[in-house]
Amino acid sequence: DTEVTQTPKHLVMGMTNKKSLKCEQHMGHRAMYWYKQKAKKPPELMFVYSYEKLSINESVPSRFSPECPNSSLLNLHLHALQPEDSALYLCASSPDLWDRNNEQYFGPGTRLTVT
Amino acid sequence: RKEVEQDPGPFNVPEGATVAFNCTYSNSASQSFFWYRQDCRKEPKLLMSVYSSGNEDGRFTAQLNRASQYISLLIRDSKLSDSATYLCVVNMGSGNTPLVFGKGTRLSVIA
Repeated sequence: DTEVTQTPKHLVMGMTNKKSLKCEQHMGHRAMYWYKQKAKKPPELMFVYSYEKLSINESVPSRFSPECPNSSLLNLHLHALQPEDSALYLCASSPDLWDRNNEQYFGPGTRLTVT
Repeated sequence: RKEVEQDPGPFNVPEGATVAFNCTYSNSASQSFFWYRQDCRKEPKLLMSVYSSGNEDGRFTAQLNRASQYISLLIRDSKLSDSATYLCVVNMGSGNTPLVFGKGTRLSVIA
C-alpha cells in the first residue's frame, strides 16, 4: 500500500479564519513533507519532518504552522492567510529523509482558496 | 546553473511516436534520480527511480549519464493517456533540501 491520504480535498477560508490540513500514511515512512504548488509550477517544499522532528523549514511564513503528532500523521495549521496563499497543498512521505533510495509518495492534495 | 533543469516543452507528438526528455543536474554528488508524472490538478505520481545507469519498465526507459550529469526518459509507442507533465527529481544527498524538483516537461500526445 503506497497510499497517502489528505483531508479535506477542498478548503475555502477567509483571511481571519483558522483551519488545519491533515495528512496520514501507514507505510512506516519516517519522513513526511508539506509542499505548496501553484498552477503550472513544480511543487515547492515547505517543511520536512524526520522521525517526528522538524528537520527543514524553507523560510515559510509563520501563518503556516506544521505539526507531527506521531509517525503516521502530519498537520498544517493555517491562520491569517493571504489570497496569494491559495494553492494546492501536497503532503508526501518517504522511507527516510537522507536515504539514497528516498522515493516520495504524494497524497492527492488539498486545494485551498483564501478569500 | 540551476540545480535541476528541464525543457518545459510542450512536446506535441502523435500517438505511437517515441519521445525523449532530458534533465540536467548541477550537483555531481547527487545520489539518485526520479521521474514523476503529474496530471492536471492531480498529485505527482512516481513513474521511475533511476539508481544506476538506467532501467526499463514497459514502454518507459530511464537512463543516467553521470559524466554529463543528465538523466533521460524515453517513452515508446506513446498513448493518449501519456499526456501529462513529467517532473525530474534529484536526490542531492546532502545540504538543506535533499530532493530538488525540475520545473517539469509538458507532453501532449495527439490522436
